[in-house]
Amino acid sequence: EPEVTQTPSHQVTQMGQEVILRCVPISNHLYFYWYRQILGQKVEFLVSFYNNEISEKSEIFDDQFSVERPDGSNFTLKIRSTKLEDSAMYFCAKSGTGAYEQYFGPGTRLTVT
Amino acid sequence: RKEVEQDPGPFNVPEGATVAFNCTYSNSASQSFFWYRQDCRKEPKLLMSVYSSGNEDGRFTAQLNRASQYISLLIRDSKLSDSATYLCVVANYGGSQGNLIFGKGTKLSVKP
Repeated sequence: EPEVTQTPSHQVTQMGQEVILRCVPISNHLYFYWYRQILGQKVEFLVSFYNNEISEKSEIFDDQFSVERPDGSNFTLKIRSTKLEDSAMYFCAKSGTGAYEQYFGPGTRLTVT
Repeated sequence: RKEVEQDPGPFNVPEGATVAFNCTYSNSASQSFFWYRQDCRKEPKLLMSVYSSGNEDGRFTAQLNRASQYISLLIRDSKLSDSATYLCVVANYGGSQGNLIFGKGTKLSVKP
């Protein structure tokens, strides 16, 4: 499976600032996902995105989060007003050819200070 | 009850050993199951899907018992490069495409 790429690899931001995390570029895939993993904890589903719309979202994905595909290729996750507890690895994933298989990008480490 | 439960380990084994990981899941309607491996501070990587009939890929064998809601992974002839955290994953069918529910993982350390 081709790789999923993400930028930046590490983002440091101050509490209350907005951050945008990117999957770059993705084409010819129907489903995209964002997950997060707080250090030492399990990987948690945030949101799935299909045909330029949110397909499903978890309880974690509250009003401070949004996703979009602004130019038809980049897939972004925006956190509007970051909190200390948003510090985590954020993984973008794409659907695979097998039933419900998903392939993850290398992640963005977000550190909120 | 947690959705996907695994023994956290760590499992410390010598090279060449056989090691088995177990996992239970709570949603009896789950349809798809996977093992991922995750190296320290890296992304999860799909190791194998798990089917009811059981499946094997080289040194790795996965089994699924739907009645017991139990998934296993067997690694034979362990290599140093097998050292990682092994994640039991279940697909949850909330929408038109499942999202993945992860266990916390079982850490494996293979020693020379």
